[in-house]
Amino acid sequence: DTGVSQDPRHKITKRGQNVTFRCDPISEHNRLYWYRQTLGQGPEFLTYFQNEAQLEKSRLLSDRFSAERPKGSFSTLEIQRTEQGDSAMYLCASSTPPGTGADTGELFFGEGSRLTVL
Amino acid sequence: GIQVEQSPPDLILQEGANSTLRCNFSDSVNNLQWFHQNPWGQLINLFYIPSGTKQNGRLSATTVATERYSLLYISSSQTTDSGVYFCAAGGGYSTLTFGKGTMLLVSP
Repeated sequence: DTGVSQDPRHKITKRGQNVTFRCDPISEHNRLYWYRQTLGQGPEFLTYFQNEAQLEKSRLLSDRFSAERPKGSFSTLEIQRTEQGDSAMYLCASSTPPGTGADTGELFFGEGSRLTVL
Repeated sequence: GIQVEQSPPDLILQEGANSTLRCNFSDSVNNLQWFHQNPWGQLINLFYIPSGTKQNGRLSATTVATERYSLLYISSSQTTDSGVYFCAAGGGYSTLTFGKGTMLLVSP
């Protein structure tokens, strides 16, 4: 178990450019979440997947934001035409769905991808 | 959606002191977690505790679900305990709502 992995850890881009972040969840976890955290605030939920199905995306901040998880393993979060207000930490988490045994739905987070838009 | 409030927003302690952090939530929950955010931004799981009491070394947590609050206790604090502590709660196993956090500074 190597934990949740995110790449890149840091991204600096110019306004108007597109950026993509990748998240590799814990291997046995079938749920994957994206959160955004701005300075001085708690993380804010964006979207989540169960396997390859995106079950909640209404919290994505605008139509410039999109996420995919094509084979139910890794996920990507893309921001098109970046704006300075998109500067934030983008956090990925994974979990097993609640059920029998130890499946509690407990979330485990990666180290995050910090975006700076100039 | 669920509202989560944490108090105090900031806390300064001398090394060795004890502290209690509080989390109030507005609705019944199926998931409640406490995290410590390290200086590099990673959220470290402390407790998964939708109800009851758990202990892990110098840290313990109690959630009283019927009264919609959770407490995180830190005993004999150390400088390495410094950072931001977040409570996050969810009602549907799909999303967690985070509070604004408690920033803890432990001085030597």
